[in-house]
Amino acid sequence: EAGVAQSPRYKIIEKRQSVAFWCNPISGHATLYWYQQILGQGPKLLIQFQNNGVVDDSQLPKDRFSAERLKGVDSTLKIQPAKLEDSAVYLCASSLGQTYNSPLHFGNGTRLTVT
Amino acid sequence: DQQVKQNSPSLSVQEGRISILNCDYTNSMFDYFLWYKKYPAEGPTFLISISSIKDKNEDGRFTVFLNKSAKHLSLHIVPSQPGDSAVYFCAASSYGQNFVFGPGTRLSVLP
Repeated sequence: EAGVAQSPRYKIIEKRQSVAFWCNPISGHATLYWYQQILGQGPKLLIQFQNNGVVDDSQLPKDRFSAERLKGVDSTLKIQPAKLEDSAVYLCASSLGQTYNSPLHFGNGTRLTVT
Repeated sequence: DQQVKQNSPSLSVQEGRISILNCDYTNSMFDYFLWYKKYPAEGPTFLISISSIKDKNEDGRFTVFLNKSAKHLSLHIVPSQPGDSAVYFCAASSYGQNFVFGPGTRLSVLP
């Protein structure tokens, strides 16, 4: 079974620039998550999709962050404009769905550095 | 307000001995708990989980214990191996939504 795929692995941008991250979940997984992990902290949920609908985006800074999941499969997370404090690893995860007690499976993440 | 706490930032254990990692939570609505292991430059890898209807779940060298009255869970690794050296995250969710993670505990298994 192929895992969660994310790209790029690393990205360095200057503040006020924009950046986009891509995620392809495990085939058949209905739920997709984007997490932000700042160095030394646990992952923090940004947004959760069920198929192509948003379940929870309460912690997404909507003035600069946006995410979409077209056709209920791949997803993109965008930051525009970036701030220094956005430097973090952005992790995508997927699971079978919220009706199951099923674990999240993570990709290897995108490490973003904002200078 | 941290809903999931891991009060030990780091832990060192001799190879072959038991490693015990602890986790506390505050939200009584959590009904599903998980442990993840993370190596540098990789995403967290799922290890083991437990539903709130159980108090113990075992998978090989890994056992998770849940004490609902104390809002506490622990992960036991027996015997510990050098390859177990990693950061371990505790996570919790309610009704399959909003998985909340602790800050992690760095385990070092010394040969």
